Amino acid sequence: SYVLTQPPSVSVAPGKTARITCGGNTIGSKSLHWYQQKPGQAPVLVIYDDADRPSGIPERFSGSNSGNAATLTISRVEAGDEAAYYCQVWDYSSDHPVFGGGTKLTVL
Amino acid sequence: QVQVVQSGAEVKKPGASLKVSCKATAYVSASYGFSWVRQAPGQGLEWMGWITTHNGETNYAQKFQGRVTMTTDTSTTTAYMELRNLTSDDTAVYYCALRVMGNYFDPWGQGTLVTVSS
Repeated sequence: SYVLTQPPSVSVAPGKTARITCGGNTIGSKSLHWYQQKPGQAPVLVIYDDADRPSGIPERFSGSNSGNAATLTISRVEAGDEAAYYCQVWDYSSDHPVFGGGTKLTVL
Repeated sequence: QVQVVQSGAEVKKPGASLKVSCKATAYVSASYGFSWVRQAPGQGLEWMGWITTHNGETNYAQKFQGRVTMTTDTSTTTAYMELRNLTSDDTAVYYCALRVMGNYFDPWGQGTLVTVSS
């Protein structure tokens, strides 16, 4: 089955740019979605279809997807961005979602 | 804006069954139905299965086949997830989420904490 690989953790100073990667075989050919999960809360969609933002998500959040890696970029990082981030694609061969293992973003 | 509201926390004994409900506050035409995802303490997201709201079609993760049943009440836009023969490994927060055309999830329910303990 399809596997998505994320780094367990990323650290960034406030005001800097955080980049969280999600790797998978020819992932660039799939639609990639990102969720933010703050401690004790449910996941929230922050990027869908590689690079689109739902209403209410700040422009500081952006996404890209090409080749074998997708990236969630958070510009001008704030303390409130500290959370776990999960990537997700749809495996059409088995008709179910695949989630990455999640990346814990720490704001220093 | 549609919200998804789940039933409350539960404590179960090993061997018991669990049934969690999940209701969308409005009908969403661009939705395929609900998916159920669970998260064990300190762990990532684990997909359990999905159910469509228009005809009740289901697809369960292999890990849960034979132990899970998902149903839906289209008249009330409510979905149910039943998990049988619980063990301590089933202790987790169970989420339902609306599966949107494009095959992503938005919004998610608030989660239901299930504790399995003797």
